[in-house]
Amino acid sequence: EDQVTQSPEALRLQEGESSSLNCSYTVSGLRGLFWYRQDPGKGPEFLFTLYSAGEEKEKERLKATLTKKESFLHITAPKPEDSATYLCAVRNFGNEKLTFGTGTRLTIIP
Amino acid sequence: NAGVTQTPKFRVLKTGQSMTLLCAQDMNHEYMYWYRQDPGMGLRLIHYSVGEGTTAKGEVPDGYNVSRLKKQNFLLGLESAAPSQTSVYFCASSYSIARSSYEQYFGPGTRLTVT
Repeated sequence: EDQVTQSPEALRLQEGESSSLNCSYTVSGLRGLFWYRQDPGKGPEFLFTLYSAGEEKEKERLKATLTKKESFLHITAPKPEDSATYLCAVRNFGNEKLTFGTGTRLTIIP
Repeated sequence: NAGVTQTPKFRVLKTGQSMTLLCAQDMNHEYMYWYRQDPGMGLRLIHYSVGEGTTAKGEVPDGYNVSRLKKQNFLLGLESAAPSQTSVYFCASSYSIARSSYEQYFGPGTRLTVT
């Protein structure tokens, strides 16, 4: 059974204070690892897909990386508008479904 | 493009009542999904569809039914609502896994309360 564990559950940072969110996964054959951002009262918004270990993707202040067991979402010099819950999900080969983690609630304090 | 839309946005039901949630997408996606999101539980898959006229059970299908009569629409039905079905419901869609990219795109959600 595929499993996704995200840590920490919640993270408070000062504006400009860089940090990383962790997504550990167990899957028999990784077809893709996905990062989403979710604002309160809204649906998840797609950020990145990573397909193989060593891959990295960037978008503004966010950078996602992937190893064989975990993915990190690095946030550099965050701003208050980066506050959101960040979700990680994995897809197995031959499987149409995603398995989601419970997310990390990120708060950036001005 | 509107992306993925859901109606209604909010609904309050009494125990035993029925309702249908509608999801529509204009991205020509083959796959569509229904999730529920509860505090501390993450997103859990209820049912999904890999094409028009097909449906399959997800992780938590009991108490729900679905139909996909048209490629762009995916309906979620509650025949006899229970308080345990109080949740936020999200619809999502994606291209087939046979394509090069198949990330899921989500709708804005429906907040359902069953009293």
